[in-house]
Parts: sequence; C-alpha cells; structure tokens
Amino acid sequence: NAGVMQNPRHLVRRRGQEARLRCSPMKGHSHVYWYRQLPEEGLKFMVYLQKENIIDESGMPKERFSAEFPKEGPSILRIQQVVRGDSAAYFCASSRGLAGGPSSYNEQFFGPGTRLTVL
Amino acid sequence: SQQGEEDPQALSIQEGENATMNCSYKTSINNLQWYRQNSGRGLVHLILIRSNEREKHSGRLRVTLDTSKKSSSLLITASRAADTASYFCATVFNAGNMLTFGGGTRLMVKP
Repeated sequence: NAGVMQNPRHLVRRRGQEARLRCSPMKGHSHVYWYRQLPEEGLKFMVYLQKENIIDESGMPKERFSAEFPKEGPSILRIQQVVRGDSAAYFCASSRGLAGGPSSYNEQFFGPGTRLTVL
Repeated sequence: SQQGEEDPQALSIQEGENATMNCSYKTSINNLQWYRQNSGRGLVHLILIRSNEREKHSGRLRVTLDTSKKSSSLLITASRAADTASYFCATVFNAGNMLTFGGGTRLMVKP
C-alpha cells in the first residue's frame, strides 16, 4: 500500500509563473490536507479537502492560491503569479473520512513534500 | 497566534543524555501529536496522546500531557546522534481534523 505521494519533489519557478503541486492520497483515503512550511518554521495549515469539495480553506491566502481534489486524479495546489515569498516546502497529508462525529480524529499521513523555489 | 509553541527552540546535548522538549497550547484539544523532521525531509509521526491520557511511552520516547496547564512534554532517553532532528508538536481541536503545529525544537545530539 503506497503512502502519500507528492510530485514534483522539487520545483523551481521564476517570479510571475504558475506552480502546480500534486498530491495522491493513500489508498482508501478520501480527505486531503495541504500545509506550508517556511524555512526554519513549523507547518501551517492551508486547506482541507474531500473529493470535489473544499471543507476548510481558512489557512490559504485569498489571492493567487487555489486547491482542488477532483473525483478522479490527484489533489492539486495551484499558485498563480508566484513571488519569492512563496518559496517553501508544501506538504500534503491524507486521512480517512471522519466517521465518528465532531470529536473524532482520523490520523493524517504525510507525503514527502514539494520544495518550491521561486527565483 | 500559534496554537502550539515549543521550547526550547534549540537544544544541544551529548549522546547518551536525555532530551526534554515542551509544548504549550491555548485552546481545548482532541489530541496532541509529536512529529520528527530531519533536515530537508518529510515528517515522521512519533506518538499521539489523546486529551484523556496523561502519559504515553513508545520505545525511548515518553510523552506527557497536562490539560490543566495546556502543556505537553516529549522526553527522549539515552539519546543517539541519529536523534538529531527538529521535533514538532501538533494539536487537533475538538472540531475539525486539521493539525496546528508549533515552531519546533531543533535537537542536536553530539556523538
């Protein structure tokens, strides 16, 4: 059973270009989370999705950033018109759906991350 | 401000010594987790402690949780050079499944 897969592992973009980061969840997982880690900092939550639905995007910048998790295929985090401040490691995690109500928790499994460098 | 805050930010010890890292948080949680991250790599899940638990062990790791003080500690006993990494605590609120990470403790274990 393959773990969470992310690609590319490293991505270099020039200012103003678009960056597309992909995440394939573990088999049987229907929920995907994106986190961003700036150098020397902890991970910050960005967005939480299930297939064809955004559950929580409270951590995602309102402009230039978007995320989707289509019915078929990987989840995509898209950053338009990248700036140098977007340089970071972007981690994806996946979990099963929350079957136990609001107080339940389903363990998240992390991918290896995509390291974005904006020149 | 950030939910989980670790201290110290950096810790340097000799191999064989114990390493203790602390984490504080502000609101009620469902559980608290500790992760390890080697430089430039992904996250490795170490241990999860639920809000109704006070202590948990896993190998050389011991985690405590004090919900009255809203704090947790991670103890690594008999440290090894290979334990050199950054250690993060992460909390999960009662509603929602998202993780809120602290800033991390950078541990260096000298051989």
